[in-house]
Amino acid sequence: AQSVTQPDIHITVSEGASLELRCNYSYGATPYLFWYVQSPGQGLQLLLKYFSGDTLVQGIKGFEAEFKRSQSSFNLRKPSVHWSDAAEYFCAVGYTGGFKTIFGAGTRLFVKA
Amino acid sequence: EPEVTQTPSHQVTQMGQEVILRCVPISNHLYFYWYRQILGQKVEFLVSFYNNEISEKSEIFDDQFSVERPDGSNFTLKIRSTKLEDSAMYFCASRGSGSSDNEQFFGPGTRLTVL
Repeated sequence: AQSVTQPDIHITVSEGASLELRCNYSYGATPYLFWYVQSPGQGLQLLLKYFSGDTLVQGIKGFEAEFKRSQSSFNLRKPSVHWSDAAEYFCAVGYTGGFKTIFGAGTRLFVKA
Repeated sequence: EPEVTQTPSHQVTQMGQEVILRCVPISNHLYFYWYRQILGQKVEFLVSFYNNEISEKSEIFDDQFSVERPDGSNFTLKIRSTKLEDSAMYFCASRGSGSSDNEQFFGPGTRLTVL
């Protein structure tokens, strides 16, 4: 069955520290991969996406993610977190020819001063 | 830049009432979707729509739900008799027609509160 796992429900990092949010997916072929960010009460903002090609993708706000086929992972990283990065982060997977996007349960990021 | 719009931003209704949530997808897109996010939970797929018919629906999308593209620009989600558990944020999304293009563009959402 198609699924997306974000093993960390919440993460707390210090401002200026590096960040890595984990995401694993379950699918037999190469999926389309996305990371979205959501502030409380707000909509979904696309941070970055991977369809094919270079497995390291750059996104907005200084985020990047790396697709690792062997690990079925698409982890999100940022070298230096800012207080404004505090939000909920969703990993999502779209499937070739599929009609829907499957979202992970989300990871809430807290940033401490 | 073209975007998906949704109205209203917030809808409050009484249990048992019908609600219609409206979406205007990006104009040249052909695939349309509704998703739901209950407060504090993940985004869940409800239904996809292509060529004037439902392509896929989840188990959440029961007989109380229906979708329609009434006029070639709007895409609506109707809940016939709302229940308390229908309270959620509802997101509309649309996708282009390219075979390799699987990015869905999401609207800002409609927050539905059922009292």
